[in-house]
Amino acid sequence: AQRVTQPEKLLSVFKGAPVELKCNYSYSGSPELFWYVQYSRQRLQLLLRHISRESIKGFTADLNKGETSFHLKKPFAQEEDSAMYYCALTGSGGSYIPTFGRGTSLIVHP
Amino acid sequence: GAGVSQTPSNKVTEKGKYVELRCDPISGHTALYWYRQSLGQGPEFLIYFQGTGAADDSGLPNDRFFAVRPEGSVSTLKIQRTERGDSAVYLCASSSTGGTEAFFGQGTRLTVV
Repeated sequence: AQRVTQPEKLLSVFKGAPVELKCNYSYSGSPELFWYVQYSRQRLQLLLRHISRESIKGFTADLNKGETSFHLKKPFAQEEDSAMYYCALTGSGGSYIPTFGRGTSLIVHP
Repeated sequence: GAGVSQTPSNKVTEKGKYVELRCDPISGHTALYWYRQSLGQGPEFLIYFQGTGAADDSGLPNDRFFAVRPEGSVSTLKIQRTERGDSAVYLCASSSTGGTEAFFGQGTRLTVV
C-alpha cells in the first residue's frame, strides 16, 4: 500500500527564514512525488513534481529514495507563501491515483 | 470550461436524506477522481474513473456511496441515507490521459445536520 506522511501539522516562521516541509513516503515500486498547495480560499493546485526537477516560486524538492523522503525547501520564506501544503504520490505502471498526506500549514509572519 | 467545476459549493442536508454532488471536469480529461477531505486531514481517495467506467472504487467507505460518469465527462457522487459523519469537503479532480497532474475543483462542502 502507498502512504504519505507529513509529520508537521503546522510550521510557523518569520519572513526571510528558511523553510523545510517534511514528507516521507512508502511505496514498493518507483513512485512519482508531488507537492500541492492550497492558498486561502483557492483550490488545491500543483506546486511542483520531482521529475521536473524545477524550482517554482523559489521552492525546490529532491527525491531521496534511500530515505524515502521528498522534503520541500525554500531558502527565504515570504508572507505570500502562507498556505496548506500537501505532499502526494502516484504509483507506477499506469496507476495514477494520487495519495495525499494530511498537509502542513505554513504560516509566514512579517 | 477553464477548470474543474463542482456544484453546489455548499450543501446542508438532514440526516437520512439523499444527496448528489456534481463534478464537471476539464474538457477532454479522461481521468476523474473523487476525494473526501475532513477537517485537519488530507484528501482521501474515494473513486477513480477512466472514461465512463469506474476503474477503482476501493475508497468508497460503504454501499451508501455511489458515483457515475455515464458519458465520460460529468460525474455525480451520490450519497444515500446521509449520516453526520459524512460531513466533509468533497473534492473532484481530473487529469488528461497519461497525465499525472490532477486539476482540482473548488470542492463541495457537505454538512449533515
